[in-house]
Amino acid sequence: DAKTTQPPSMDCAEGRAANLPCNHSTISGNEYVYWYRQIHSQGPQYIIHGLKNNETNEMASLIITEDRKSSTLILPHATLRDTAVYYCIVRVYPTFTSGTYKYIFGTGTRLKVLA
Amino acid sequence: DSGVTQTPKHLITATGQRVTLRCSPRSGDLSVYWYQQSLDQGLQFLIQYYNGEERAKGNILERFSAQQFPDLHSELNLSSLELGDSALYFCASSVGAGTSNQPQHFGDGTRLSIL
Repeated sequence: DAKTTQPPSMDCAEGRAANLPCNHSTISGNEYVYWYRQIHSQGPQYIIHGLKNNETNEMASLIITEDRKSSTLILPHATLRDTAVYYCIVRVYPTFTSGTYKYIFGTGTRLKVLA
Repeated sequence: DSGVTQTPKHLITATGQRVTLRCSPRSGDLSVYWYQQSLDQGLQFLIQYYNGEERAKGNILERFSAQQFPDLHSELNLSSLELGDSALYFCASSVGAGTSNQPQHFGDGTRLSIL
């Protein structure tokens, strides 16, 4: 099961900031939060990731609460091309049989940017 | 453009057949991951290879197999195909073995349709 919880859908007016929340209350102290988006049936596109400090890149900003139990992805000026499903991911720790960290994708948030 | 290349983009075949999907990772990436995305299951991790060796297994059926070649490209082989295997198959790559915080980068997928 995914270790994150996101609202199923959100709308945002074009040109406004889109704030996408994610709850990850069971996150461990050294685990990162990753954000991806999927436009139509294209491959998931990496957006940003962070540990505990706020992060910003050319696509978005990531705000992580001090207790690290939730985060918010911010698209500062949403455009119609930002309409997509946004996934917040916390990796699953390796187990004896798996041997590596794994991405577990939940159902994400379907963001619709409105003209 | 993520730098991950998948071929073919579309594949149509019949039940009982065998197909091979191909993935070329980003330059410098040593790990390749395979995912399946069907309408009712979302994105599911199948298997990971790192520098030619199998590193981790997810929900991969015994009818499916994969390998990574010395030039680091990977192939996913699907045999005895069933209608339920119709899905999008994505490949992702990352620099390391999947234990660092470096993100995975996804290709645009192969759409497999079983008739």
